[in-house]
Amino acid sequence: GIQVEQSPPDLILQEGANSTLRCNFSDSVNNLQWFHQNPWGQLINLFYIPSGTKQNGRLSATTVATERYSLLYISSSQTTDSGVYFCAAVPQGAQKLVFGQGTRLTINP
Amino acid sequence: DAMVIQNPRYQVTQFGKPVTLSCSQTLNHNVMYWYQQKSSQAPKLLFHYYDKDFNNEADTPDNFQSRRPNTSFCFLDIRSPGLGDAAMYLCATSRDPGLKNIQYFGAGTRLSVL
Repeated sequence: GIQVEQSPPDLILQEGANSTLRCNFSDSVNNLQWFHQNPWGQLINLFYIPSGTKQNGRLSATTVATERYSLLYISSSQTTDSGVYFCAAVPQGAQKLVFGQGTRLTINP
Repeated sequence: DAMVIQNPRYQVTQFGKPVTLSCSQTLNHNVMYWYQQKSSQAPKLLFHYYDKDFNNEADTPDNFQSRRPNTSFCFLDIRSPGLGDAAMYLCATSRDPGLKNIQYFGAGTRLSVL
């Protein structure tokens, strides 16, 4: 089955810094989503981005489907950005979201 | 606001005592999912309902069951919880399981087994 790999596994930054999180997937996908899991455990949808680029405030994401990767950019980080960021993909021909192992982001004041 | 609601947020049960977790949705989505998430791991799909059709993952233990009495509600039943079943349980919904399978998650129920 498809492999979804995220890097780095952990990232510690100071408030105000920018960051780039990467998601590689081993097969073609119909669907790719980025989620933020907050310290209370809820998974918040950030982007549905099977291809192309989207922006939402300080966050943006780019998926290059032909090269099988997606990037999540966070600019001017705030302490509330802390948590675990997951990417998840639905392989072509399948119906199940396959999650990466996540990137744990810690933003220090 | 339309949303996915899980109750309770925290549940404590005793070893072997059946427990039921609840999920409701106001999105009128066709598909409802249950995931198990253990500490520092990614969510793991247990099963999902597409309307009334139940789809079990091959590696979901028989100890876990689910019911969907109507479009809005879905329940996760753990018949005889073991210590290894302590985890966060996440419910999600999507309009359909096809190409544009955008899943929306509830806040989760954190289960402790004593």
